[in-house]
Amino acid sequence: SQTIHQWPATLVQPVGSPLSLECTVEGTSNPNLYWYRQAAGRGLQLLFYSVGIGQISSEVPQNLSASRPQDRQFILSSKKLLLSDSGFYLCAWTRVTNGYTFGSGTRLTVV
Amino acid sequence: RKEVEQDPGPFNVPEGATVAFNCTYSNSASQSFFWYRQDCRKEPKLLMSVYSSGNEDGRFTAQLNRASQYISLLIRDSKLSDSATYLCVVNRNDYKLSFGAGTTVTVRA
Repeated sequence: SQTIHQWPATLVQPVGSPLSLECTVEGTSNPNLYWYRQAAGRGLQLLFYSVGIGQISSEVPQNLSASRPQDRQFILSSKKLLLSDSGFYLCAWTRVTNGYTFGSGTRLTVV
Repeated sequence: RKEVEQDPGPFNVPEGATVAFNCTYSNSASQSFFWYRQDCRKEPKLLMSVYSSGNEDGRFTAQLNRASQYISLLIRDSKLSDSATYLCVVNRNDYKLSFGAGTTVTVRA
């Protein structure tokens, strides 16, 4: 069966520090991968999606970047965090447009 | 206009009650529709897909009205464990889904 791993679960980082969140998928190949952010009390905002290795599409201009160095690995990064980057970051995968499966999320607090 | 709009609630209902709520979507070309459930501080999990003819999954019934571009979810015989935020989800194209901000349901004993 397919599983998705996301870490760390919780992160507290100072303003201006770098960020690296990792997501890996097991049990499938060539998945579509997504990074979402959910601010407190808000809906999910799509940040990036990838349909293949090295293929990254950005939804909104922001302080973040994404990379897909391997088929089942998706990384979210920032060189310098802002206070507004705080939120609940969720990685998700799908093979076809039939719903997403989410990782357990990373709760990021920028202080 | 937001792509997916939901009544945020909260809907506070006693155990055993029926609760129903809708969401509206703006993209008439959308083809796939879902309801997700999100517990506090957890990731969203797929509750059910929504089909054109309407569908049931146990105590949950989903309906789709393409003409009016809305989706509904009805929960019968509410349980305490149904307390959660329910997210309405609509596909934007083959790769992306749009999420509503969620409807909060609280079932009280």
